[in-house]
Amino acid sequence: DAGITQSPRYKITETGRQVTLMCHQTWSHSYMFWYRQDLGHGLRLIYYSAAADITDKGEVPDGYVVSRSKTENFPLTLESATRSQTSVYFCASSAGGTGELFFGEGSRLTVL
Amino acid sequence: GIQVEQSPPDLILQEGANSTLRCNFSDSVNNLQWFHQNPWGQLINLFYIPSGTKQNGRLSATTVATERYSLLYISSSQTTDSGVYFCAAYNTDKLIFGTGTRLQVFP
Repeated sequence: DAGITQSPRYKITETGRQVTLMCHQTWSHSYMFWYRQDLGHGLRLIYYSAAADITDKGEVPDGYVVSRSKTENFPLTLESATRSQTSVYFCASSAGGTGELFFGEGSRLTVL
Repeated sequence: GIQVEQSPPDLILQEGANSTLRCNFSDSVNNLQWFHQNPWGQLINLFYIPSGTKQNGRLSATTVATERYSLLYISSSQTTDSGVYFCAAYNTDKLIFGTGTRLQVFP
């Protein structure tokens, strides 16, 4: 039972580079989410998706791009990474809009 | 948008003590969850609790949606309970997190 997996778990990149964080879930959950966690800000929603080909902005979407061509995958792309995007990124999924949310193990991104 | 506030922000306990963590939310919610983030950063589901009371071992939770709060009770705390406890409230189809309660349990 793989559940929800994120890759890479750790990534160091430089300002201006493109970075993609992958998220894959095996539950066929319709909803998927990306959060970032920073000291002093808790968990903040970046983007979410209610189904394949449907995505919506969360609280802090600027600087990020998402896509959802398949139900099980929800990649998050930083098109031109900035130092302020150094954070821990969590992917999550749920069966419904208000269903129980399950998190991946997180991806720690450092932008130098 | 909805505001989710947790208290206290920090809690230090000796092993064996009991504690109550509170979560207030500013608007009606469709549902509520409690999570524990352990010292390794993993977010672990504790309760999915729109209303009423649930218990799981030494932990229990109560949500009173009409009064816009939820409580998490930890009894006979253990060092493994250390970490940050988050509540998160559903507003339409998005889960909004509180800033957490950091719990440290010492032997």
